Amino acid sequence: QVQLVESGGGVVQPGKSLRLSCAASGFTFSDYGVHWVRQAPGKGLEWVAVLASDGSVKSFYVDSVKGRFTISGDNSKNTMYLQMNSLRVEDTGVYYCAKGSTKWHIDYWGQGIPVIVSS
Amino acid sequence: DIQMTQSPSTLSASVGDRVTFTCRASQSIKTWLAWYQQKPGKAPNLLMYAASTLESGVPSRFSGSGSETEFTFTISSLQPDDFATYYCQQYDSYPWTFGQGTKVEIK
Repeated sequence: QVQLVESGGGVVQPGKSLRLSCAASGFTFSDYGVHWVRQAPGKGLEWVAVLASDGSVKSFYVDSVKGRFTISGDNSKNTMYLQMNSLRVEDTGVYYCAKGSTKWHIDYWGQGIPVIVSS
Repeated sequence: DIQMTQSPSTLSASVGDRVTFTCRASQSIKTWLAWYQQKPGKAPNLLMYAASTLESGVPSRFSGSGSETEFTFTISSLQPDDFATYYCQQYDSYPWTFGQGTKVEIK
């Protein structure tokens, strides 16, 4: 049974850093793409980043986080991370970890973890 | 980046109604489109992928169609559990993008 459990969220001041973790079970995350998707309060979904695995490991990001966020994985722990630096107020929201399917689309989601960037 | 536009933003309907809403892509995404349902305070839930393939376990009252830039999502007979927000999402190219959502409300 696929499970994704996020941790590491919280309240942080603008300009500071935070690292989110996503512990996967029920599948080997290095065999699939694993994504982060966020949702600002009262707003829609925004895709943030992916750690893609199609023979070689690649990462892609939405423009608004390029150079500030880094996605990585630890195969030994079956865990994915999102290192978020230089946080901005507009990065506030619920961050979801999500699993890509064998046909590319996202098929499973974690429960989400809130991140609040505020002074 | 590919822009996804959903319409309408809000739809008011009654139990038993047939409801349809659309998703348009700013360029061709072939059939690399998924639909998700989200209820308040919950994670999204996959309903449809490849534009028209129903995810396993999802009721057959949900259907999808379309290709290239025009897509449609239909609920044949609205049930109480279906009142939620629905998002389309393209996975043709990075960055993946979502539509702004269609909220289905009780009339």
